[in-house]
Amino acid sequence: AAGVIQSPRHLIKEKRETATLKCYPIPRHDTVYWYQQGPGQDPQFLISFYEKMQSDKGSIPDRFSAQQFSDYHSELNMSSLELGDSALYFCASSLFLAGGNSYEQYFGPGTRLTVT
Amino acid sequence: AQSVTQLGSHVSVSEGALVLLRCNYSSSVPPYLFWYVQYPNQGLQLLLKYTSAATLVKGINGFEAEFKKSETSFHLTKPSAHMSDAAEYFCAVSNTASKLTFGTGTRLQVTL
Repeated sequence: AAGVIQSPRHLIKEKRETATLKCYPIPRHDTVYWYQQGPGQDPQFLISFYEKMQSDKGSIPDRFSAQQFSDYHSELNMSSLELGDSALYFCASSLFLAGGNSYEQYFGPGTRLTVT
Repeated sequence: AQSVTQLGSHVSVSEGALVLLRCNYSSSVPPYLFWYVQYPNQGLQLLLKYTSAATLVKGINGFEAEFKKSETSFHLTKPSAHMSDAAEYFCAVSNTASKLTFGTGTRLQVTL
C-alpha cells in the first residue's frame, strides 16, 4: 500500500538559511499534518491542512510557513534557521470521514533537519 | 485541552514476559486514543486506536489496549515480549479529526 512520502529524508543547513520540506500524502487523503520531534522528545504539532485550507495551528514559529497544493501535497518552508530547529519533521495524512470515526493519521518517515 | 501522561520513560522486560505500558489521558470531551511505535530513525507506526467503539482494542504485532473511562487510562499490553518489540512507544490523544497530542514516550527494552 502507498504510504506518506517525505523529501528530502535528510537536510543539512546553516544558520539563517532557508529550507523547504515536502510531503506527499497517501492517495485520496485530504488532510495533512506537520509535526516536529526534537532529540529525545515527543512529536509536537505544528500545523495542519484540510482540502488545501489551514485547519489548525500549533506551536509553529512565525519563521515557518506551510501550504497544501491542489494535488494535496504540502510544503513546509522554514526561514532564518536556528540551531534549535534541528529536529525530525514528520508529515502525516488522514482521510476526513464526515460522521465517521476513523481519524487515524499515517506518518511519513520524516525529514531529519540538521542546522549547523 | 487534552493531554496524555505516560508513566515510566523506560521499561525493561525479559523476552516472553508481559509488556505493560501505561497511559493516562485528560480530556474534556470523549477522546480518541492511539498508540504509536517508533523504531530508531524511523517514522511513527500506528499500533492501535480507540474511537468510542469496543473498549478492548486489538492492534498489530499482538498488542492490545483497554479503554477505562473510570480510570482515564489506555494502557498498552502484550502477553509475551519479543526482541523485535524494543522501540519507543507513544500514547496520543485527539478529538474528532484534529491534531494528535503525544505523551513523552516510553522506551521499551527487551532482554534475553
